[in-house]
Amino acid sequence: ETGVTQTPRHLVMGMTNKKSLKCEQHLGHNAMYWYKQSAKKPLELMFVYSLEERVENNSVPSRFSPECPNSSHLFLHLHTLQPEDSALYLCASSQDIGSNSNYGYTFGSGTRLTVV
Amino acid sequence: AQSVAQPEDQVNVAEGNPLTVKCTYSVSGNPYLFWYVQYPNRGLQFLLKYITGDNLVKGSYGFEAEFNKSQTSFHLKKPSALVSDSALYFCAVRPPYGGSYIPTFGRGTSLIVHP
Repeated sequence: ETGVTQTPRHLVMGMTNKKSLKCEQHLGHNAMYWYKQSAKKPLELMFVYSLEERVENNSVPSRFSPECPNSSHLFLHLHTLQPEDSALYLCASSQDIGSNSNYGYTFGSGTRLTVV
Repeated sequence: AQSVAQPEDQVNVAEGNPLTVKCTYSVSGNPYLFWYVQYPNRGLQFLLKYITGDNLVKGSYGFEAEFNKSQTSFHLKKPSALVSDSALYFCAVRPPYGGSYIPTFGRGTSLIVHP
């Protein structure tokens, strides 16, 4: 384990379902991220939280809704998804964002999402 | 805007041979550069980074990368490949100042090491 835990590991959901992905880190990091990984595409940044405040939202459809209740937990709420949303969703954390963030990120193992 | 190009979808190499995984970048100012590795069913793991100093950076598992400013490249290398090095490799870049400081990742290169 890397210190970033994601659950569930696999999720199959229908287009009308509502589900949530969970990410947890106990590394004392202040920044957390959601990424979408699709085959042969660049890793796509979705959301960034710093000290529990959202600092970046890269034009992600509203059917994806993030929540960061505290600095250790990050959720991604899903509803009325489309088949093209099927992908590996990765959570990551880092000490900080900003000019001192020259350290690497710590990633979770991801949630493999399939929308049917 | 910053960008990363990994021109090869896949690199094949025989075990024991040297390997190179290519990365070129575009960013304002002197870049911060990173390599990550992803094994099957796992998240990305940090391998190495270039911030400043020596152009040859050494990282985990015997990997190294060479920063070439004139060619805007940061190729990943290893003198002798192992079958266990087979994985997906990601290059990332971020500017040293300005913007959101968040790295931009490439699309990944699949490295396959044959016994």
